[in-house]
Amino acid sequence: EPEVTQTPSHQVTQMGQEVILRCVPISNHLYFYWYRQILGQKVEFLVSFYNNEISEKSEIFDDQFSVERPDGSNFTLKIRSTKLEDSAMYFCASSEQGLYNEQFFGPGTRLTVL
Amino acid sequence: AQKVTQAQTEISVVEKEDVTLDCVYETRDTTYYLFWYKQPPSGELVFLIRRNSFDEQNEISGRYSWNFQKSTSSFNFTITASQVVDSAVYFCALSGSQGGSEKLVFGKGTKLTVNP
Repeated sequence: EPEVTQTPSHQVTQMGQEVILRCVPISNHLYFYWYRQILGQKVEFLVSFYNNEISEKSEIFDDQFSVERPDGSNFTLKIRSTKLEDSAMYFCASSEQGLYNEQFFGPGTRLTVL
Repeated sequence: AQKVTQAQTEISVVEKEDVTLDCVYETRDTTYYLFWYKQPPSGELVFLIRRNSFDEQNEISGRYSWNFQKSTSSFNFTITASQVVDSAVYFCALSGSQGGSEKLVFGKGTKLTVNP
């Protein structure tokens, strides 16, 4: 069964460093998303991406964040200068048709900022 | 604004008991979708069900059933004859049509522990 994959599963970084989280969405899906979940809290939307551009972003997704689809399969989230409060689980998701469709989530990348 | 409330933070039951997880939502959209996701201890988010705002029929899938009541803005999830493997955090989520937004708005989740 097709699934969303994410690498790495765990990333430890120093405050101020740049990190890139990688995702491979399901191959025939066209809509891509990043969410984050701070430990023990709810899942929060960061950004949605369609047709090679951001379609929506939340207040959390400030200038420190960027997304890219560098090739036909990968979808990346970059945090330019990490802060302690960026420590969270980051989930990538994809859906076939966007609005109202179920989003399939990857296993997540746990980011720890020291 | 869209909002999902899961008032039950944690529930603990003994195996074979039935358990209902509550979800109440707020939206101004006339067309919207509701979802349930399961997050087992391993951390991934597993899609369970999607229900649109025009379909109030209850749904049953094996031991799982969902009760959607538009009149009370609720979309409750019942597990019948619970098993230890059902232990997880369950999230209710909402997707609406505000400006074509596709984002899922999640509740805070209910942690279910099923004891043997």
